[in-house]
Amino acid sequence: DQQVKQNSPSLSVQEGRISILNCDYTNSMFDYFLWYKKYPAEGPTFLISISSIKDKNEDGRFTVFLNKSAKHLSLHIVPSQPGDSAVYFCAASANYGQNFVFGPGTRLSVLP
Amino acid sequence: DAGVIQSPRHEVTEMGQEVTLRCKPISGHNSLFWYRQTMMRGLELLIYFNNNVPIDDSGMPEDRFSAKMPNASFSTLKIQPSEPRDSAVYFCASSLGTGLGYTFGSGTRLTVV
Repeated sequence: DQQVKQNSPSLSVQEGRISILNCDYTNSMFDYFLWYKKYPAEGPTFLISISSIKDKNEDGRFTVFLNKSAKHLSLHIVPSQPGDSAVYFCAASANYGQNFVFGPGTRLSVLP
Repeated sequence: DAGVIQSPRHEVTEMGQEVTLRCKPISGHNSLFWYRQTMMRGLELLIYFNNNVPIDDSGMPEDRFSAKMPNASFSTLKIQPSEPRDSAVYFCASSLGTGLGYTFGSGTRLTVV
């Protein structure tokens, strides 16, 4: 049973528009969340994080929102650029631990 | 900083053969993780070490899989005997152990024929 779900396997967005990637989790003990980006033939790279004491964290074009009651988080990319085309993984851990559970990923394609 | 270094980048082997994947974590990182990525299951944690000690190996699929970390700068993941269903990309990652996330290596693409 997946504890971290990314129900959209893929997403296509026009350049300049907003990309919204969603992630749901089932374990109420999760309190720290990360987003990773992965290009083909490379390892995932850290993008942005959020802890459960916040509901929003922003870094440049990337914003992560956390809705604890809904056990849902989302990553917003504004504006989207072709270089953002990659697979995005959501990951969660409990007790701010190191054991992160990853979602299956969403492949984002930003069309020029 | 060279990052997390994995070798080989690609491995093709015949079913039944032993396969050894290698990882050199970032110097100073005290936690090391082995993940497997497949199309069906995404990124799965196989095992992780803290200060060279295995902490959680519940993700290791079966006894054919074993991992060691003899020192702070080296870890191996061994599959013996290998099977076609082991074909996947295997990632190693390391962290400072502060819960801030990991740095991943570039992965080893394993194909078992």
